[in-house]
Amino acid sequence: NAGVTQTPKFRVLKTGQSMTLLCAQDMNHEYMYWYRQDPGMGLRLIHYSVGEGTTAKGEVPDGYNVSRLKKQNFLLGLESAAPSQTSVYFCASSYYKGPQPYGYTFGSGTRLTVV
Amino acid sequence: AQSVTQLDSQVPVFEEAPVELRCNYSSSVSVYLFWYVQYPNQGLQLLLKYLSGSTLVKGINGFEAEFNKSQTSFHLRKPSVHISDTAEYFCAVSDSGTYKYIFGTGTRLKVLA
Repeated sequence: NAGVTQTPKFRVLKTGQSMTLLCAQDMNHEYMYWYRQDPGMGLRLIHYSVGEGTTAKGEVPDGYNVSRLKKQNFLLGLESAAPSQTSVYFCASSYYKGPQPYGYTFGSGTRLTVV
Repeated sequence: AQSVTQLDSQVPVFEEAPVELRCNYSSSVSVYLFWYVQYPNQGLQLLLKYLSGSTLVKGINGFEAEFNKSQTSFHLRKPSVHISDTAEYFCAVSDSGTYKYIFGTGTRLKVLA
């Protein structure tokens, strides 16, 4: 049972390049999330999805796009990378029983450096 | 919008001493509260959660937290820390119906020998 898998684990990009981060979960969770972690700022929500085919903006969505074409996958895209997007990116998935959240599970992270 | 405040960015403590990491959240009718731990170069691992019921919640590795609705706090405690508890700790809150977590900025716990 792999849980939440993120690929790649590390990447270095040049300013202006594009890339896609992949998040895959095998727990049949309905909800998926992308966060970025920066020193002293905790985790900030970029985008999230409440089901296949849906996406919504979080706290810091600018410069990122996402897609959820399949329930198990949530892709995060950077169309034109900027140094300010240097960060560690975490994907998470969860499910709910009524209003109560359960099973919020994180991937191991992707360390992205934009030079 | 919901928010979480972790007042202490760093907490140094000697081994076998007790520790309390503070977390306050903005008031809401119905909230769910969590503590996560992140060891160096790793992802986040759930320590404990409060969904409903008893206000004293016990988690893994000997940690516990108390939900205080009147003070809108959810402080994390451990009676005796070990070197291996050195890590960053994050408090998170989820509003009923929003389907997302909001995290605090983290508290770096450093246990000294």
